[in-house]
Amino acid sequence: DGGITQSPKYLFRKEGQNVTLSCEQNLNHDAMYWYRQDPGQGLRLIYYSQIVNDFQKGDIAEGYSVSREKKESFPLTVTSAQKNPTAFYLCASSLIAGVSGELFFGEGSRLTVL
Amino acid sequence: AQSVTQLGSHVSVSEGALVLLRCNYSSSVPPYLFWYVQYPNQGLQLLLKYTSAATLVKGINGFEAEFKKSETSFHLTKPSAHMSDAAEYFCAVSDLPGGGGNKLTFGTGTQLKVEL
Repeated sequence: DGGITQSPKYLFRKEGQNVTLSCEQNLNHDAMYWYRQDPGQGLRLIYYSQIVNDFQKGDIAEGYSVSREKKESFPLTVTSAQKNPTAFYLCASSLIAGVSGELFFGEGSRLTVL
Repeated sequence: AQSVTQLGSHVSVSEGALVLLRCNYSSSVPPYLFWYVQYPNQGLQLLLKYTSAATLVKGINGFEAEFKKSETSFHLTKPSAHMSDAAEYFCAVSDLPGGGGNKLTFGTGTQLKVEL
């Protein structure tokens, strides 16, 4: 079945360590996105990519990095520069602009920094 | 820039009662609007979307929403709540068709509780 796979689902790390969250899609979508979710704040856009080897900062990119070396993969690294990394991270994908704009989401990765 | 406001972070209804979740939007271009549902520790699932066709949009699980340009609203309704509707609901607006991509801007969410 087509979909978006995020891993790991739960992750614990010590403060100061970099962490990489995986996101893979087999929907043949052009665009991919990373959102951060905190209680009471909705979803906030971290980074997005509309084509391989290109990506743009979202609203809260500081302390995060991404790569888009393959169409189906869009990993997110939470660096030690991120002041408050504990959150629920959601990856999404979509067809490129010009269609209905619907995003398809993965199941999320919950990061807890101890 | 576009934005959405969801009025009421928590809504409680009795099983069988009407569900009404409010969403108001702000957009400099004709908006595309979405409602998503999220169950605990899961991703978001699309309920319905408005893309400038019919103003009354029907979605999955008996939900519907009406686009009202004069009120800049896109409220979500369901005639009769079921226990399985308990979840968090997000309204979102897209920068399509006028923008350079389809990034969604989300509201802060409304937690729906359904009581017996």
